[in-house]
Amino acid sequence: SAVISQKPSRDICQRGTSLTIQCQVDSQVTMMFWYRQQPGQSLTLIATANQGSEATYESGFVIDKFPISRPNLTFSTLTVSNMSPEDSSIYLCSVRQDGTEAFFGQGTRLTVV
Amino acid sequence: AQTVTQSQPEMSVQEAETVTLSCTYDTSESDYYLFWYKQPPSRQMILVIRQEAYKQQNATENRFSVNFQKAAKSFSLKISDSQLGDAAMYFCAYRSARSGAGSYQLTFGKGTKLSVIP
Repeated sequence: SAVISQKPSRDICQRGTSLTIQCQVDSQVTMMFWYRQQPGQSLTLIATANQGSEATYESGFVIDKFPISRPNLTFSTLTVSNMSPEDSSIYLCSVRQDGTEAFFGQGTRLTVV
Repeated sequence: AQTVTQSQPEMSVQEAETVTLSCTYDTSESDYYLFWYKQPPSRQMILVIRQEAYKQQNATENRFSVNFQKAAKSFSLKISDSQLGDAAMYFCAYRSARSGAGSYQLTFGKGTKLSVIP
């Protein structure tokens, strides 16, 4: 299984600022995803990070708010831009190799004040 | 679109006893995968068990087993000999087996919080 390192593990940010979350995998993976988990809620897919091209966003999520990069097959970043308290959530990176299951990073707990 | 429903927001079980968590799903597809993930307070999503829809045999992983009823679109998780370390949020998830854009992501239920009583 892939080992995923997600940074930072938590942060407290001022509204109006931006935070970039990093996801590093110890092996090349075919698919990388970013999920949001709002307090007490389930996981919602933000976007699929595509290597070398623009990410594919789900309904309700836009590139200007959640820009994503994936420069290679082992690394991706998610930026939460112009933050408001409603962005306070856990953000999780997920990867899929050739198998059926997905693996997750430990998540980033973001609090916007 | 697929949906996953977990009707039990919270459950509790005595240590060493058995508990069953419920999950139902809705899909028009015939081939797909189902998963149970565990999320302890550390936030790490840990895969507990998976089931391929084309397999009739229920998946088993040590103390964890599933009851997969394809016609009823039901996928329950049974935890035997419950341990304190089993306390966590449990999420049921669905993934399509078809290839192509939009088919690889997971659709999650709302989760069930499991408490284990010593």
